[in-house]
Amino acid sequence: EVQLEESGGGLVQPGGSLRLSCAASGFTLSTYWIHWVRQAPGKGLVWVSRITIDGTNTRYADSVKGRFTISRDNAKNTVYLQMNSLRVEDTAVYYCARDKGYATPLECWGQGALVTVSS
Amino acid sequence: DIQMTQSPSSLSASVGDRVTITCRASQSITNSLNWYQQKPGKAPRLVIYAASNLESGVPSRFSGSGSGTDFTLTLSSLQAEDLATYYCQHGDTFGQGTKLEIK
Repeated sequence: EVQLEESGGGLVQPGGSLRLSCAASGFTLSTYWIHWVRQAPGKGLVWVSRITIDGTNTRYADSVKGRFTISRDNAKNTVYLQMNSLRVEDTAVYYCARDKGYATPLECWGQGALVTVSS
Repeated sequence: DIQMTQSPSSLSASVGDRVTITCRASQSITNSLNWYQQKPGKAPRLVIYAASNLESGVPSRFSGSGSGTDFTLTLSSLQAEDLATYYCQHGDTFGQGTKLEIK
């Protein structure tokens, strides 16, 4: 079964760090771009970041630029989102999703990982 | 940056009704527009891609149309299981969502 699974979510204090993982099963991650999309409680979907197939090109939403870093280890079939200097407003469910490149749809999504930033 | 505006933000309809949700881009995006369904407590699911193409496994009562700046998602005969929030998306931008409720 084709699947993406996020892990690494949890409760962290403002200013803290967390690393999310997105593991693929049933397909080879190295043939897809991977995106992170988040959803604050009761709110809509917001794109966060994406990484190309070989990891050489990354992009970030302005709200997380300089604080979050996306990376991938194709040998481990996993993409990561390192989140530093976390703020209360980063509290959200974080989804990873795959597409086949520029202007293609997000065709497969993980179930999401909850990140709560609170003192 | 291109902005995506959906309307309405919510709507209530009865089983069997025809339902239409619109999405407008702030500038032409040709047909680069996707629609997602998100049921309560679940991850989003792709339903329509490239404006009018039905994703595999999605019921045929879903359809999409439009090009340029104006797009439409239509449910030809609403079913109870269609209760969800629907989002349009272009590139890195999602619409604000349309919450569909069943009367």
